[in-house]
Amino acid sequence: AQRVTQPEKLLSVFKGAPVELKCNYSYSGSPELFWYVQYSRQRLQLLLRHISRESIKGFTADLNKGETSFHLKKPFAQEEDSAMYYCALVAGGTSYGKLTFGQGTILTVHP
Amino acid sequence: EPEVTQTPSHQVTQMGQEVILRCVPISNHLYFYWYRQILGQKVEFLVSFYNNEISEKSEIFDDQFSVERPDGSNFTLKIRSTKLEDSAMYFCASSLMTGTLYNEQFFGPGTRLTVL
Repeated sequence: AQRVTQPEKLLSVFKGAPVELKCNYSYSGSPELFWYVQYSRQRLQLLLRHISRESIKGFTADLNKGETSFHLKKPFAQEEDSAMYYCALVAGGTSYGKLTFGQGTILTVHP
Repeated sequence: EPEVTQTPSHQVTQMGQEVILRCVPISNHLYFYWYRQILGQKVEFLVSFYNNEISEKSEIFDDQFSVERPDGSNFTLKIRSTKLEDSAMYFCASSLMTGTLYNEQFFGPGTRLTVL
């Protein structure tokens, strides 16, 4: 069975500082990894996925299969980045898109 | 931009009562999901639905739960006899396809279910 771990429940940084939200996973096959974000009073939305290797809102995430990690990084945090961030995994094969979520990290960016 | 909608936003019910949570997925999407989040815990998968049948379900999705797509637009989650531990936020999601680039799931705003 797959599992996603986000070790930090809360993360506080100052505006302009680098930020890294940690995500580790366990899954024996080839997973698809995602970061979802939930801003205050908004719905869960996809931030980025590993397969497209893109940068969204200045965030990047690299899948490290050796360390089974998918950490989310941004070099200069902005106040509008304050939100709940969820790392999620979809197992390959016959899993019909079932997302397995981590516990979430609340990011607060102080002015 | 099309969005997933859910009704009601908040449902309060007595233990043992049946509840139906409603969702309208994005119109051209083919895959539908229910997740739930108990307060302070992680978002958990309940069930996925494709081509008018359940594709996958979790251990949580026992005989008390059922899903239906009654009319080609709505997607419902029914809990037959609610328990206190069913109190949670329930999220509906839909996606165009599964796998690779098409597996973006679009989430509704959620229904908060409170069982008294």
